[in-house]
Amino acid sequence: EPEVTQTPSHQVTQMGQEVILRCVPISNHLYFYWYRQILGQKVEFLVSFYNNEISEKSEIFDDQFSVERPDGSNFTLKIRSTKLEDSAMYFCASGTGLQETQYFGPGTRLLVL
Amino acid sequence: DAKTTQPPSMDCAEGRAANLPCNHSTISGNEYVYWYRQIHSQGPQYIIHGLKNNETNEMASLIITEDRKSSTLILPHATLRDTAVYYCIVINDYKLSFGAGTTVTVRA
Repeated sequence: EPEVTQTPSHQVTQMGQEVILRCVPISNHLYFYWYRQILGQKVEFLVSFYNNEISEKSEIFDDQFSVERPDGSNFTLKIRSTKLEDSAMYFCASGTGLQETQYFGPGTRLLVL
Repeated sequence: DAKTTQPPSMDCAEGRAANLPCNHSTISGNEYVYWYRQIHSQGPQYIIHGLKNNETNEMASLIITEDRKSSTLILPHATLRDTAVYYCIVINDYKLSFGAGTTVTVRA
């Protein structure tokens, strides 16, 4: 059964450093998403991406964040200058269309020191 | 998106059916009801979804009331591995808005 994969599973970085989180969505999916979950808190929507552009973003997704689909398979989330409060689990999801089921990856645990 | 209300927690005996309620009284006609669950800090796992009709798959059944203002997720024979946080989400656009969900503990 196809699934969303994410790398790395864990990442530790110093405050101010750039990080890139990688996701490989399910191959025939066209809609891609990033969510995050700070420890002990709710899963929060960050951004959705379709047809090589951002469809919607939350207020969390500020200028420090960017997304890219650099090739036909990867979908990345970049945080330019990490802050302590960026420490969280980051989940990638993909789906075939609006209101269609979103399938989530296992997540990347990011720790900013 | 319509807001949902779920009980914060519930216990269930292993092998018994678990019935998880969800209220979504402000749901509109084109909004779907989705159920996901999250085991520990793993990625949310899709369970089932529906618009008006009751739905069943290999994991669960979803019962939606006729007025669509509430729904119930049924896990027919709960196992210890079903211990998780269960989220009821109403969606009509791109994003899933997760609430606190219901923490379900299946006890042996």
